[in-house]
Amino acid sequence: DIQMTQSPSSLSASVGDRVTITCQASQDISNYLNWYQQKPGKAPKLLIYDASNLETGVPSRFSGSGSGTDFTFTISSLQPEDIATYYCQQYDNFYTFGQGTKLEIK
Amino acid sequence: QITLKESGPTLVKPTQTLTLTCTFSGFSLSTSGVGVGWIRQPPGKALEWLALIYWNDDKRYSPSLKSRLTITKDTSKNQVVLTMTNMDPVDTATYYCAHRPAGTGALDYWGQGTLVTVSS
Repeated sequence: DIQMTQSPSSLSASVGDRVTITCQASQDISNYLNWYQQKPGKAPKLLIYDASNLETGVPSRFSGSGSGTDFTFTISSLQPEDIATYYCQQYDNFYTFGQGTKLEIK
Repeated sequence: QITLKESGPTLVKPTQTLTLTCTFSGFSLSTSGVGVGWIRQPPGKALEWLALIYWNDDKRYSPSLKSRLTITKDTSKNQVVLTMTNMDPVDTATYYCAHRPAGTGALDYWGQGTLVTVSS
């Protein structure tokens, strides 16, 4: 099984800050990596697919990069509505989600 | 537009079999490359992928749960059904179904989820 190690598990930042979350795969997954945002009580929402492609309608302050085993998700300027838990997900071999990063406003 | 909705029991007893139905609209599960997956989330915990069925009836299961899961589709009814046997209290979770478009393994549309509690 491919394991996804996401860090940090929680993060506190101020409005306007640049926020970065990392996800490491236990083996090479090429660019088969997606990022989701989940707000409390809601279903996850796809933000980034195939490591770096912005899903239609998602604000451009969200971005993703990486390939192989190391991936990064960035919010360039944190907004109050970005408070949520973020998950990475690989699909190179079955599907695996990371453990999530809970983002809070400082 | 694409929509999905999960339905099924909200409460099951330990050892019982859970049957969940995902009813969708806005796409066809006979379109090449398309799939529907099931994902669950225990209260306060992370997402866990369970199963996926493709347009060509190819099926994939989580290795850790494979022996307990069955996924099927009824293309004419626009439904995907997931069964999970031998339910246990640790299976208490919100269960989601989601659309997988052709060409990527992303899950781009999700249902609202349904909370299933396992308790005697």
